[in-house]
Amino acid sequence: GAVVSQHPSRVICKSGTSVKIECRSLDFQATTMFWYRQFPKQSLMLMATSNEGSKATYEQGVEKDKFLINHASLTLSTLTVTSAHPEDSSFYICSARDWRGGVEQYFGPGTRLTVT
Amino acid sequence: AQSVSQHNHHVILSEAASLELGCNYSYGGTVNLFWYVQYPGQHLQLLLKYFSGDPLVKGIKGFEAEFIKSKFSFNLRKPSVQWSDTAEYFCAAGGRGRGSTLGRLYFGRGTQLTVWP
Repeated sequence: GAVVSQHPSRVICKSGTSVKIECRSLDFQATTMFWYRQFPKQSLMLMATSNEGSKATYEQGVEKDKFLINHASLTLSTLTVTSAHPEDSSFYICSARDWRGGVEQYFGPGTRLTVT
Repeated sequence: AQSVSQHNHHVILSEAASLELGCNYSYGGTVNLFWYVQYPGQHLQLLLKYFSGDPLVKGIKGFEAEFIKSKFSFNLRKPSVQWSDTAEYFCAAGGRGRGSTLGRLYFGRGTQLTVWP
């Protein structure tokens, strides 16, 4: 149980285009999902907290207009990187917290974004 | 400010050696502590967690961690490592506050463990 999937696993896009990454909780409902960014040899940096049915809460320094987050259902959150630039190339990881409570997060496998 | 420090960036051991990875945290309020592992090409998996009670926590695959409140530490240990333990290990801390703070985790920068057969 507690499986989180991400799609796509890898994506390459051109500068200036937008790309959408999906995060799904497969066998549980998630009122809260988290989006992280991981740089090589570095830790996970929380970008935003996504709550079902409400606006996402962004961490300081993260541009909300660039990284659009939508959490339209209890099993799906999406991250859209708009007008992508090469510096947006990174590994994006989502996690989800079970709606029944607890603080554990279940992590997706991540999405490798490369902007050319 | 909340933060997590992992002092060992890369640890190299031979099989059967004992392991201890350091983790120190800075957190205002009651804290939950976690160790996650990321095997090559795989996603983060929970190794063990501490919420309350016995400060010595046992996790999967023979790992354990000890919460020492006075030292703000939550070190990960394994008495005898195996080649299959080669992975990246992340320590994380989170609070028990309500609302938007609930579930928010602060991660250390990770420790790469390489075990030679």
